Amino acid sequence: GAVVSQHPSRVICKSGTSVKIECRSLDFQATTMFWYRQFPKQSLMLMATSNEGSKATYEQGVEKDKFLINHASLTLSTLTVTSAHPEDSSFYICSAPHVTPAGNEQYFGPGTRLTVT
Amino acid sequence: SQELEQSPQSLIVQEGKNLTINCTSSKTLYGLYWYKQKYGEGLIFLMMLQKGGEEKSHEKITAKLDEKKQQSSLHITASQPSHAGIYLCGAGYNNNDMRFGAGTRLTVKP
Repeated sequence: GAVVSQHPSRVICKSGTSVKIECRSLDFQATTMFWYRQFPKQSLMLMATSNEGSKATYEQGVEKDKFLINHASLTLSTLTVTSAHPEDSSFYICSAPHVTPAGNEQYFGPGTRLTVT
Repeated sequence: SQELEQSPQSLIVQEGKNLTINCTSSKTLYGLYWYKQKYGEGLIFLMMLQKGGEEKSHEKITAKLDEKKQQSSLHITASQPSHAGIYLCGAGYNNNDMRFGAGTRLTVKP
């Protein structure tokens, strides 16, 4: 079946530095990918929609200058957390929609745990 | 407020008991997805429902979507400790992005 990978799976960085998270669709093309964030004991919250060849669409309350998204190809989207702070520590998951005979499915990456010290 | 209301927030059941988790949308859904997750780990896809009245089963888990495509239930029969985890319902509204319910934390006591 379709697979979405994320890299890195875990990252620890110092406050003020930037961190890049990659999301790849391994065996299908995705013109759209989605980035989610999950805080402890909370559900996944959509942050932004990544669009290949155009600007990302951000959800209300998500700072686009802080969370830079680049959808460079049909199989790769990157999320860069700029000037990270401890409150950015979270679990980040990406997903990509894929049309199958069963319908429009969403495939999720395994997630990236970001810890900002 | 969330577009998807999931209930209950947490559930503790004795092994062998049946249980039901509900997911209600304020709008008509394009598709309803059920996932299982342990926090800090990826999502495990359980089932996808797209047609009103649709019902799917996998092993001891059954999911239903109502005719109006605004409400879904996940039913586990004869629960086991391996069923423990966080269950999330996700809904697609415009054939693209997905929104999630708050999640239900299931504990199964042996």
